[in-house]
Amino acid sequence: EVRLVESGGGLVQPGGSLRLSCVVSGFAFNSYAINWVRQAPGKGLEWVSTISGPGGSRFYAGSVKGRFTISRDNSRNTVTLHMNRLSAADTGFYYCARGFDYTGYGEFDYWGQGTLLTVSS
Amino acid sequence: QSVLTQPPSASGTPGQRVTISCSGSTSNVGQNSVNWYQQFPGTAPRLLIYSNNQRPSGVPGRFSGSKSGASASLAISGLQSEDEADYYCATWDDDLHGWVFGGGTKLTVL
Repeated sequence: EVRLVESGGGLVQPGGSLRLSCVVSGFAFNSYAINWVRQAPGKGLEWVSTISGPGGSRFYAGSVKGRFTISRDNSRNTVTLHMNRLSAADTGFYYCARGFDYTGYGEFDYWGQGTLLTVSS
Repeated sequence: QSVLTQPPSASGTPGQRVTISCSGSTSNVGQNSVNWYQQFPGTAPRLLIYSNNQRPSGVPGRFSGSKSGASASLAISGLQSEDEADYYCATWDDDLHGWVFGGGTKLTVL
């Protein structure tokens, strides 16, 4: 069974940093890209970042470029999203989702249940 | 403001056919495959349609997708009350070098 489990969310002050993790199981981890998608309360889905299966390609939304860094540890089946200089606009649920193939250009076929990040003083 | 444009709401009665549009540009919908996601309140999205018109296993046949030029559509025939959810289109954008989503359409079954 394919599973993606996010963790690391919580309350952070504006300007602070946080690290989200996505631990996966049930498939050959290094053969698939992993994506982060977020959703502000009551709002729509917003793509955040993608890392290819081997990890050589990384993509970021303009709203997080330069502040967020995505990485993966293929030995631990884990993808990490390092987030810096957080603001209220970053508040929301963060979902990790598997990309259909290793490139990062495939549809998001399996999703985790999400972890909530709240940026507030 | 989303790169892909969807109507914010749609509605229909049980048994009806409903379509949801997704309008983009030559750098996204016009050039790449469109995927559709369904999301129920308080839950994670799930893949509903991929590669414009393909259904993952487990998705009922009453859901179908199409694309023409820089526009795509999701159609739901034989509408059921359990179809009441939010629907999002998404595709890769060659200019932005990233994924883009539509703003979402809230479907109400009357």
